[in-house]
Amino acid sequence: EDQVTQSPEALRLQEGESSSLNCSYTVSGLRGLFWYRQDPGKGPEFLFTLYSAGEEKEKERLKATLTKKESFLHITAPKPEDSATYLCAVQGSNYQLIWGAGTKLIIKP
Amino acid sequence: NAGVTQTPKFQVLKTGQSMTLQCAQDMNHNSMYWYRQDPGMGLRLIYYSASEGTTDKGEVPNGYNVSRLNKREFSLRLESAAPSQTSVYFCASSPGTGIEQYFGPGTRLTVT
Repeated sequence: EDQVTQSPEALRLQEGESSSLNCSYTVSGLRGLFWYRQDPGKGPEFLFTLYSAGEEKEKERLKATLTKKESFLHITAPKPEDSATYLCAVQGSNYQLIWGAGTKLIIKP
Repeated sequence: NAGVTQTPKFQVLKTGQSMTLQCAQDMNHNSMYWYRQDPGMGLRLIYYSASEGTTDKGEVPNGYNVSRLNKREFSLRLESAAPSQTSVYFCASSPGTGIEQYFGPGTRLTVT
């Protein structure tokens, strides 16, 4: 059964304190892994797509990496405006996205 | 360029009432999706439309129907609302399957 697990459920950091969020997955025939950001009361906002193990993508303070079993979203020197829930989703052979429950990130000034 | 728009933003229904959630996109995307989001759970796909004229069931289709009215519009209908359908509903679109999806602001539905 296709499955996505994100950890931790919540993460509190001080401004400038770097850390990583984890997305572990089991899927038959990975076609892509997606990272999204969701602010309270809003829809998810697309961040990255990763297609194969070893691939990396960067955007400002965020860097996403992919292995055959998991993906990491590394946050370097975060700012309060990086506070949000970060969602991970995988696409398998049936093209449908399977979503994780998300990691709520809180950055304290 | 408004992206994906949804109406209404909030709705309260009584058990057994019906309603239609509207979604429109102005990005000329082929594929459109309806999801529900519940606390502590990932987004779950209700129905999707890979292209104009086609619709398919997702993970949780029971109690819902959809209509792909044209390339821009994709509506979700609850025929007889139940408290278990209390949720936040998101519409999304993408240029095609296998490509990133773009989401609307959501509809917060409460069924009493």
